[in-house]
Parts: sequence; C-alpha cells; structure tokens
Amino acid sequence: GQQLNQSPQSMFIQEGEDVSMNCTSSSIFNTWLWYKQDPGEGPVLLIALYKAGELTSNGRLTTQFGITRKDSFLNISASIPSDVGIYFCAGQPKAAGNKLTFGGGTRVLVKP
Amino acid sequence: DAGITQSPRHKVTETGTPVTLRCHQTENHRYMYWYRQDPGHGLRLIHYSYGVKDTDKGEVSDGYSVSRSKTEDFLLTLESATSSQTSVYFCAISDQYGEAFFGQGTRLTVV
Repeated sequence: GQQLNQSPQSMFIQEGEDVSMNCTSSSIFNTWLWYKQDPGEGPVLLIALYKAGELTSNGRLTTQFGITRKDSFLNISASIPSDVGIYFCAGQPKAAGNKLTFGGGTRVLVKP
Repeated sequence: DAGITQSPRHKVTETGTPVTLRCHQTENHRYMYWYRQDPGHGLRLIHYSYGVKDTDKGEVSDGYSVSRSKTEDFLLTLESATSSQTSVYFCAISDQYGEAFFGQGTRLTVV
C-alpha cells in the first residue's frame, strides 16, 4: 500500500525556536495535508496543499508541496508552548479517489 | 467545528462480543472514513465510504465491517471483539477536495 515516511519521529523544542519536519513518499500524491493532534482529541487540519511546488504560509506555519509530488515539509517559526502535540502529514494518492494515507507522526515535546 | 459526532466516546467490552461504533455527520460530505490509532502506528485506515452503500477496505480491515445506509451515518462493527482491537477509533469526513475533518474519537477497550 501507500507509504508516507515522516521525520523526525519526535523532537524537543524550546520556546522561540523554529521547528521543521518533513514527509516523503515513493508514490505521487494529489493532495498533501498537515494535521495537529492534541492529547485526547482528534487531528485538526492545519494546511492543505494542492499544487506541486506550492509554498503556503498560515501565521507561523510554512509548508511546501514538493515539485515531484512525493514530499512536503512543515516549518513552525518561533515555537510557543501550545505547539506541543503530534503533527501528521497525510496524502491523497492520485489514483485512489479521496482515500487518505497518514504518516507516522512527529511528536513535538517541550525541552525540560 | 465540522459537524461530526462519534458514539459512544468510551466503551469497555468483553472478548467475543459484537460492538458497533457510530459516526454521524451534518455536513453532507460524500466521503467517510474509519481509522484506528495505536501507539507506534499512527492513523491506519480501516474502511472508507465514497457514497451511500459504497464502501471499500483500508489497510487494516480484517475483523471489521462497515455500513452506510444514509449519507450522514457510517457504522463500524466489530463482529467478535478481540483484545488486539483495543484502540482509539476516529471517524473522518471529506468532500471532493480531500480535506478530511475528524471526530473526537472513541476509546474502545476489549477485556
């Protein structure tokens, strides 16, 4: 089946630092989505990407849909404590209608 | 918030018993999904639906069945629950553009 490889699996942040995570696939995706999940909640959509090469910003979030349609990154600038959570990338394969596949997630934690 | 309601939110059941989880939407979206989430595995697709009475299997469909008799309801049934089906189950909906919105989840424990 489709595979989305997300890295890093976990990371520690200090308030004010920039955070970066990425997702790669061996298959082409039609749409890329980034989600954030807080403990005990369902994932919440952050950003959706539809065009190859598209660079999109939403506040402190910046994300890009790779030109080959096989990768995407998410950057969070000037992190704050509420950025803690699990971030997931998700892709909709070109030939599979609206069937979404998720990456394994990046767990963002606060440095002790 | 997208209009998605999952019920029940929590359930404890015994091995071998049937269990049905319900997902109800008020957005009139065509696509509905059931995922399970387990530590170390992220979100894995169980089944999805692309219309009334139109369903297809996901990557972890063994032991699960689904039904969608109305646009707004998508039911997930565990015919005979096993301990390996202890998990958090999420329903999601999406329109033709692919942006999926999730429910609050159902925590199922099989003892």
